[in-house]
Amino acid sequence: SQQGEEDPQALSIQEGENATMNCSYKTSINNLQWYRQNSGRGLVHLILIRSNEREKHSGRLRVTLDTSKKSSSLLITASRAADTASYFCATRTSGSRLTFGEGTQLTVNP
Amino acid sequence: DTEVTQTPKHLVMGMTNKKSLKCEQHMGHRAMYWYKQKAKKPPELMFVYSYEKLSINESVPSRFSPECPNSSLLNLHLHALQPEDSALYLCASSRPPGAAGGNEQFFGPGTRLTVL
Repeated sequence: SQQGEEDPQALSIQEGENATMNCSYKTSINNLQWYRQNSGRGLVHLILIRSNEREKHSGRLRVTLDTSKKSSSLLITASRAADTASYFCATRTSGSRLTFGEGTQLTVNP
Repeated sequence: DTEVTQTPKHLVMGMTNKKSLKCEQHMGHRAMYWYKQKAKKPPELMFVYSYEKLSINESVPSRFSPECPNSSLLNLHLHALQPEDSALYLCASSRPPGAAGGNEQFFGPGTRLTVL
């Protein structure tokens, strides 16, 4: 079964609002990554946070990691219509394997 | 060049056909991956190659046969597929485990496969 679970499954907001997505996982990790996927396309890496980090920023993205709760959140500030996509968290435990969560479908309405 | 390319973009094949999917990257990554993705689902790992050797096979049926001819190319040979194999097939590459820097994966745009 997938390591990560995400909520909400779907999120619809207005342009300019903030979007928060959450990810929970089950086992110890080396790092946690967030990816975006536009409909029917490949995934694009957004941000990586290591297990010894608690928060990371990249542009309008803010990621937090709580290893005691085995959870992470992705915040997108000042959302744009172009942010409409599916967002997946992925955990790396060992070796090359990434395990993806079920994903959150974000819709940003103009 | 930070791009992973995949060909073809779309493929329709019958259950008796033999076809191949191709993937190429020129980022010097020594780990390459095949994923299968069904609609509204996350990618499922199929195979991992590390330094051109198969390191992970996620119990994929033998009708899928991967090949890594060199450090830039990854193929997926298809034979006697079933309709339930219809999906988006994604290729990705990354630095191998233990390499300096992050191990984020770079994905190609995928091949949309339909098996009739």
